[in-house]
Amino acid sequence: AQSVTQPDIHITVSEGASLELRCNYSYGATPYLFWYVQSPGQGLQLLLKYFSGDTLVQGIKGFEAEFKRSQSSFNLRKPSVHWSDAAEYFCAVGVSFGNEKLTFGTGTRLTIIP
Amino acid sequence: DAGVIQSPRHEVTEMGQEVTLRCKPISGHNSLFWYRQTMMRGLELLIYFNNNVPIDDSGMPEDRFSAKMPNASFSTLKIQPSEPRDSAVYFCASSLMSGSTGELFFGEGSRLTVL
Repeated sequence: AQSVTQPDIHITVSEGASLELRCNYSYGATPYLFWYVQSPGQGLQLLLKYFSGDTLVQGIKGFEAEFKRSQSSFNLRKPSVHWSDAAEYFCAVGVSFGNEKLTFGTGTRLTIIP
Repeated sequence: DAGVIQSPRHEVTEMGQEVTLRCKPISGHNSLFWYRQTMMRGLELLIYFNNNVPIDDSGMPEDRFSAKMPNASFSTLKIQPSEPRDSAVYFCASSLMSGSTGELFFGEGSRLTVL
């Protein structure tokens, strides 16, 4: 069965600094990978997704992620964070076309300091 | 266009009571998912429907939980009887399953507290 690990429970960065959130997956074949963001009291919103092709994918709000098969990773990056980026971020893996049954990681809480 | 609508947003009840959570998916979406979020277990998929038919309910904790989708625009998740360990945020999500893994659209969740 597939699984997702987000090794960082909580990360604090200064506004304007760069950000990288880590995600490692376990799955025997090519996975479908997602990053979702959850603001306090809200549901999850899709930031970006990887299905195939270019391993560097661009998402909303200036986020990007890179799929590295050799490292089983799909890390999320942003060159300069804004205070509004403070939220919880979830990595998720899906295993087949037509199957939206995703497995989510435990999330990384991002705090932004002035 | 309205997003996924869940009700109630907050529910406080006593152990043993019946709880019903409701969800209206996005119009035109053909898949609906119920997730539970807790600090200890994170996000867990409870059940999902495709074209109103339950496809996978392996995540439903036990017989106290049941879910229905009588039509394309409405679903319920019922807990009877409720227990304190059921306290969590329950999310409903919908998607358009059109032969490709797509985006899940989440509602704002129903926060359940069982005393």
